Amino acid sequence: GQNIDQPTEMTATEGAIVQINCTYQTSGFNGLFWYQQHAGEAPTFLSYNVLDGLEEKGRFSSFLSRSKGYSYLLLKELQMKDSASYLCAVNDYKLSFGAGTTVTVRA
Amino acid sequence: ETGVTQTPRHLVMGMTNKKSLKCEQHLGHNAMYWYKQSAKKPLELMFVYSLEERVENNSVPSRFSPECPNSSHLFLHLHTLQPEDSALYLCASSQGVLAGGRYNEQFFGPGTRLTVL
Repeated sequence: GQNIDQPTEMTATEGAIVQINCTYQTSGFNGLFWYQQHAGEAPTFLSYNVLDGLEEKGRFSSFLSRSKGYSYLLLKELQMKDSASYLCAVNDYKLSFGAGTTVTVRA
Repeated sequence: ETGVTQTPRHLVMGMTNKKSLKCEQHLGHNAMYWYKQSAKKPLELMFVYSLEERVENNSVPSRFSPECPNSSHLFLHLHTLQPEDSALYLCASSQGVLAGGRYNEQFFGPGTRLTVL
């Protein structure tokens, strides 16, 4: 089966940096997605990694190590609107999701 | 309308009722999905359709019955549900299935919040 682990909750201060880790053990691998989901809304795409290394998109970056089965999402210069759940999903012809990490940004 | 739409957004039903959830995608995608999202749990994939054919059914109870009349529409028919079926039901679409890369990136609808009394 698929096993995808990420922390349940994280809290950080406005303007700070937070790193959300995701470890996975899956039968196949064709890339890893990060999604953001605000309460009561649809998950929306943040990033995609298929090769090892760091992908940077503005304040958000995502890193992948395929040999370690590990990824992280880095959120810089945190804003109140970044309070949301962040979902890690591994692509093995279909997406298998982690339970999500709820990030709370405090003033 | 753009993206993926779902109706109704909220639904309260008794255990003996029959209701249907509707999903429509305006992205020209070939694959559509139903997911169940319960608090503090991973998204659970329920059904996958590719070009109107069901390609996956993840051991979902028969009280959930999907229907895909064309590649743009997907329904989830509900009957004799249980209180533990209360959850957020998300519909998604992708360009296709059984492929790598971003080809099966999921585009989600806003979901239907279902409460079973």
